[in-house]
Amino acid sequence: AQSVTQLGSHVSVSEGALVLLRCNYSSSVPPYLFWYVQYPNQGLQLLLKYTSAATLVKGINGFEAEFKKSETSFHLTKPSAHMSDAAEYFCAVSVLANQGGKLIFGQGTELSVKP
Amino acid sequence: ETGVTQSPTHLIKTRGQQVTLRCSSQSGHNTVSWYQQALGQGPQFIFQYYREEENGRGNFPPRFSGLQFPNYSSELNVNALELDDSALYLCASRPGLAGFTSGANVLTFGAGSRLTVL
Repeated sequence: AQSVTQLGSHVSVSEGALVLLRCNYSSSVPPYLFWYVQYPNQGLQLLLKYTSAATLVKGINGFEAEFKKSETSFHLTKPSAHMSDAAEYFCAVSVLANQGGKLIFGQGTELSVKP
Repeated sequence: ETGVTQSPTHLIKTRGQQVTLRCSSQSGHNTVSWYQQALGQGPQFIFQYYREEENGRGNFPPRFSGLQFPNYSSELNVNALELDDSALYLCASRPGLAGFTSGANVLTFGAGSRLTVL
């Protein structure tokens, strides 16, 4: 069975500092991996996705993630945090291309950005 | 293009009651998925509808049921509400059943319906 583990339910960084949100997955077959962001009282917005092309994936708002098969990881990074990045971030996995509506989400990581 | 819209945004029910949540998919999207997000948790897949038929279901009991209409809008119905059903219910739509390697084939989420069961 597939699963996702997000390390750290809460991460706090200073404005301008590096953002690193950790995600490890478990899958017996090559996965599709996603990062979503959720702002208060809003739905989920896709930041980026990995679909077996380039292992370094660039997303919106300056975020990127690197797929590392040997480490079963898909960590999300941003070189310089902005106050507007404060939100909940979810890593998700899917292994069935034709079941794309079914994503398995991690527990989420709340990112706080201090001025 | 309009995104995914859900109604109502908030509602309160008592244990044992029934609830219907509604979702209008994004224009051009014929596939709708529903997720339950309990407080402090990640979303959990309930089921997916494609062309008015259920196409995949998560680990939820039969009292969670759904419909999809010819215009691709959808309803989520929950009978015999329990306290643990309190959650944010998210609807998401996408253009079809094609795989994720299709660049446009990603889920678009609505803002959700927050259900409180007392």
